Amino acid sequence: RKEVEQDPGPFNVPEGATVAFNCTYSNSASQSFFWYRQDCRKEPKLLMSVYSSGNEDGRFTAQLNRASQYISLLIRDSKLSDSATYLCVANEKGGSQGNLIFGKGTKLSVKP
Amino acid sequence: EPEVTQTPSHQVTQMGQEVILRCVPISNHLYFYWYRQILGQKVEFLVSFYNNEISEKSEIFDDQFSVERPDGSNFTLKIRSTKLEDSAMYFCASEGQGDYGYTFGSGTRLTVV
Repeated sequence: RKEVEQDPGPFNVPEGATVAFNCTYSNSASQSFFWYRQDCRKEPKLLMSVYSSGNEDGRFTAQLNRASQYISLLIRDSKLSDSATYLCVANEKGGSQGNLIFGKGTKLSVKP
Repeated sequence: EPEVTQTPSHQVTQMGQEVILRCVPISNHLYFYWYRQILGQKVEFLVSFYNNEISEKSEIFDDQFSVERPDGSNFTLKIRSTKLEDSAMYFCASEGQGDYGYTFGSGTRLTVV
């Protein structure tokens, strides 16, 4: 069974904090990885793709460790608007042309 | 920014009734998907559709489910005889050739009573 596992949280952090989420995936054949963000009762929205070399987009940094089948997301200088559920996602296919396996999500709440 | 549009936003139906959920993918996209999310649970893959046929489906997508792209713009999900456990948020998504990441619609909340 192909699974993506995440700590459900919630992570309650003050504004300006740095917070890290981790995720593991069971299918070693997975080729592409993503972090999505989901606000309450809304659709998932792509936050960033995750590459083996690590990638950064502003305050967000994603890392992939294929040997450990482990993915991480680091958020620096948290904003109130970062409050959401962060979904770790894996795909067996390169790119994203195939079905996505979602984790259950990690809930982040940023407080003033 | 191009959008995936889903209608209705909320559908209430009686158990045993047929429902059709509608989606208009982004116009130049080639790959289409349905996912569902039961309240409090993870987003689950149902079916993918490419070149006017199903390319992959999950165990959830049994004989009660079907998909169609009847007119080149709409992409529909039909549930023939709804069950209480079909109550969920249903998301449509589309993707273009060479894209990297889907665009999801805002979802249809299906409530079976």
